[in-house]
This record gives sequence, C-alpha cells and structure tokens, in this order.
Amino acid sequence: EPEVTQTPSHQVTQMGQEVILRCVPISNHLYFYWYRQILGQKVEFLVSFYNNEISEKSEIFDDQFSVERPDGSNFTLKIRSTKLEDSAMYFCASSEEASGGVEQFFGPGTRLTVL
Amino acid sequence: GDSVTQMEGPVTLSEEAFLTINCTYTATGYPSLFWYVQYPGEGLQLLLKATKADDKGSNKGFEATYRKETTSFHLEKGSVQVSDSAVYFCALSEVLTGGGNKLTFGTGTQLKVEL
Repeated sequence: EPEVTQTPSHQVTQMGQEVILRCVPISNHLYFYWYRQILGQKVEFLVSFYNNEISEKSEIFDDQFSVERPDGSNFTLKIRSTKLEDSAMYFCASSEEASGGVEQFFGPGTRLTVL
Repeated sequence: GDSVTQMEGPVTLSEEAFLTINCTYTATGYPSLFWYVQYPGEGLQLLLKATKADDKGSNKGFEATYRKETTSFHLEKGSVQVSDSAVYFCALSEVLTGGGNKLTFGTGTQLKVEL
C-alpha cells in the first residue's frame, strides 16, 4: 500500500542552524501539506502546496520557513535559522484531491529538537 | 477561526469496555469531520469521516455521527481491545481557495486499554 515517508525520523540541531526536513508523498497525489505538533499541544497546519506553489500558509509559517518540490517526488520543509520554539514533531501529508471530505495521508513525522 | 475541542486524556479502560471520546467543533459553513488515529511510532491514519450533517462514519467497530445541532462528532466503540490503544484526533476540514484543504485538529486523546 502506498505511504508517505519522511526523513530523518529525528533531527537534533543547534539554534540558528538551518534544517531541511524531507518527505516523499504518495506518487499520484497532487496536494501536499506540512503540519507540526509541539509536545503536548495540538497538531497545527503550517502550509499547503499545489501546482508548485503555496496555496495557503498559517501565521506560524513566517519568512524563516520555505517549502519546495525539487524533483517531482520529494517535498521539503526548510527552516533557515532554527529557534528553540521550533522544537516539535513535523508531519508531512498528501492528498489526491481537494474536496472537503478527502483523506490526507500522513507520514510518520520528523521529531526536530533545537538546542 | 475554526476550532476543535476534544476531551482531555489519558483515558484508561479495561478490555471490552465501552468507549466515548467527545469532540465538538466551531466552524463557519459546513466542514467535513474526521477522526484520525496515531499508533505508537506511526503517522496519523484516517479512522473514519463524515461529510454532512447526520452522516455516520464507521470503521473497525468505531462510529461517529455528525451532529450539526450540537456541533459534535463524538467517537464511540462498544467493546475496546488492547490493540485500540493509541492517540485519537478529531479534526475538521476546510477547502482552501488556492487548492487543497486544511485540517484543524483537536488536542488528541490518548487511550490505553488494559487486560
């Protein structure tokens, strides 16, 4: 069964460093997403991506964040200069369609720890 | 903005007990509603969904009914098993004008089922 994969499973970085979180969505999906979950808090929407551009981003997704689909299979989230408060679990998701009832398929997450 | 409120966990039950996890939502319009489940070490998986009022979603013995009048989508199972131990997330979906849809999640409820 097709699945969304994410690498690495755990990333530890120093404050101020750049990190890139990688995701491989399901191959025939057209819509891609990043969510994050700070420990003990809600899963929060960060950004949606369609047709090679951002379709919506949340207030969290400031200029330090960027997304890219560099090669038609990978979908990346870059944080340019990490802060302590960026420590969280980051989930990638993808969906085939955009209707309200369509399922988003999630990866297992990358745990980012900023020291 | 849209929001989802679900009961605090953790919930600890004996095997074969009845399960209810409460979920209420606030939204403009008529969102689709979802329950996602996260087993240890895995990503979020769709458990069930309902796309309009009075719809009942069901899967693996779990059920939830979309109640517009009470803005609720409570998750129920008549007889839980140890294998149901996981974190359960209630969510609503909003279609994005730029493409895709955005999930708004509750805080998650951890369920532990004991023999």
